Amino acid sequence: DVKVTQSSRYLVKRTGEKVFLECVQDMDHENMFWYRQDPGLGLRLIYFSYDVKMKEKGDIPEGYSVSREKKERFSLILESASTNQTSMYLCAYRGGGNEQFFGPGTRLTVL
Amino acid sequence: GQNIDQPTEMTATEGAIVQINCTYQTSGFNGLFWYQQHAGEAPTFLSYNVLDGLEEKGRFSSFLSRSKGYSYLLLKELQMKDSASYLCAVSWMNRDDKIIFGKGTRLHILP
Repeated sequence: DVKVTQSSRYLVKRTGEKVFLECVQDMDHENMFWYRQDPGLGLRLIYFSYDVKMKEKGDIPEGYSVSREKKERFSLILESASTNQTSMYLCAYRGGGNEQFFGPGTRLTVL
Repeated sequence: GQNIDQPTEMTATEGAIVQINCTYQTSGFNGLFWYQQHAGEAPTFLSYNVLDGLEEKGRFSSFLSRSKGYSYLLLKELQMKDSASYLCAVSWMNRDDKIIFGKGTRLHILP
C-alpha cells in the first residue's frame, strides 16, 4: 500500500513564525494536495501540485506557499503564522482512479 | 457556485440501516466520492461513482443520479464503529483533479 506521511501530528507555533509542514508519499504519484479542515467549514483546498516544481492555487491560498522540489515531497509553508491558521492540515495524493488518499494530518496551533 | 449539501448530523441505532443524502450542482459534474472520517483522524476513501446507479461494497452502498444531482450513502447493519463523519465530495470537469468537499454528516450510532 502507498503510504503518505506528514512530519508532525501536533505542532505548536507562535504568531509570526515561519512554519513548514512536510508531506511525503512513497510511490510515484504526480498529483498532491494540501487542505485545511475547520469545524463547520469542512475541507478546503489550499494548494495542489501536478508534478515537480509545479503548483496551483486552491480555494484559500492566502498566507500560504508550497514547494515541490522532488516528486515524493510536497511542503506547505506558512510564511508568518497567524492565529487564524490554527487548524488541521491534511496532505493527499491522487490515486489511479481519481480518488484522493490522505495522510494522517497535522494539528497546528498558533499562539 | 459548486455547492454540495448534506445533512449536518444524523442519529441511528445499532443494527439498523441509515441513508446519508448529498446534493450538488450538476453543471460540469464529473464524479462523486464518499469518505469516512473518525474524530481526530484523516478521511478514508469509501466509494467513487461516475455512472448512474447503485454500487455495493459490503455493508456500504453508494448511489448516484447524475440528472438529479443526487447521491446517497447507505450503511446497513450499523455497528458502533460506524460512528463517524461522512464526507461527500465532487469533482467537476473544469477543475482538473481538484475535488470539492461537502461539510460532512456526523453520524451518531446508539446502542
